[in-house]
Amino acid sequence: SQTIHQWPATLVQPVGSPLSLECTVEGTSNPNLYWYRQAAGRGLQLLFYSVGIGQISSEVPQNLSASRPQDRQFILSSKKLLLSDSGFYLCAWRLGGWSSYNEQFFGPGTRLTVL
Amino acid sequence: AQKVTQAQTEISVVEKEDVTLDCVYETRDTTYYLFWYKQPPSGELVFLIRRNSFDEQNEISGRYSWNFQKSTSSFNFTITASQVVDSAVYFCALSDSSGGGADGLTFGKGTHLIIQP
Repeated sequence: SQTIHQWPATLVQPVGSPLSLECTVEGTSNPNLYWYRQAAGRGLQLLFYSVGIGQISSEVPQNLSASRPQDRQFILSSKKLLLSDSGFYLCAWRLGGWSSYNEQFFGPGTRLTVL
Repeated sequence: AQKVTQAQTEISVVEKEDVTLDCVYETRDTTYYLFWYKQPPSGELVFLIRRNSFDEQNEISGRYSWNFQKSTSSFNFTITASQVVDSAVYFCALSDSSGGGADGLTFGKGTHLIIQP
């Protein structure tokens, strides 16, 4: 069966510090990978998605970036955090390619607080 | 542009009551997919159901049932005989593609369901 891991679970960072959140998927190959953010009192917003190694698409311009160095590894980064980057970050995967089985499965999330 | 509206911000019912969560969507695509997710207090989103636009059959899974109506662009979720463990935030979501491209989910703002004992 497939599992998805995220770490760290919680993070408190000062404004202007760097960020690195990691997501890994087990039990599947060539998945589509996604980063979402859930800010307090708001819905879920798609930040990045990737259909393969090194292929990253951004949905929202911001000071965040994403990378996919390996097939089942997805990293969310920032060089300098802003207060507005606080939120709950969720990584998700789905089967790659054309498929009607396109539901996304989410990781446990990382709760980021920027002070 | 796609849009998902969950007009009910919060619903509170007493245990064993039936409750329906509303979801209305907008899309220009003829092929699309609808989803429901549950977010318990732990925060992880749990997948509940996927419905394709070409399949309007309603579905029942235990105490859960879903009513998909293309004519009204709605995909409502009913919990029968609610239980305290059903307390969570429920999200309706829309995807307009089954392909490998820009098929991130568009989420509604969620409905916070509170089941009181």
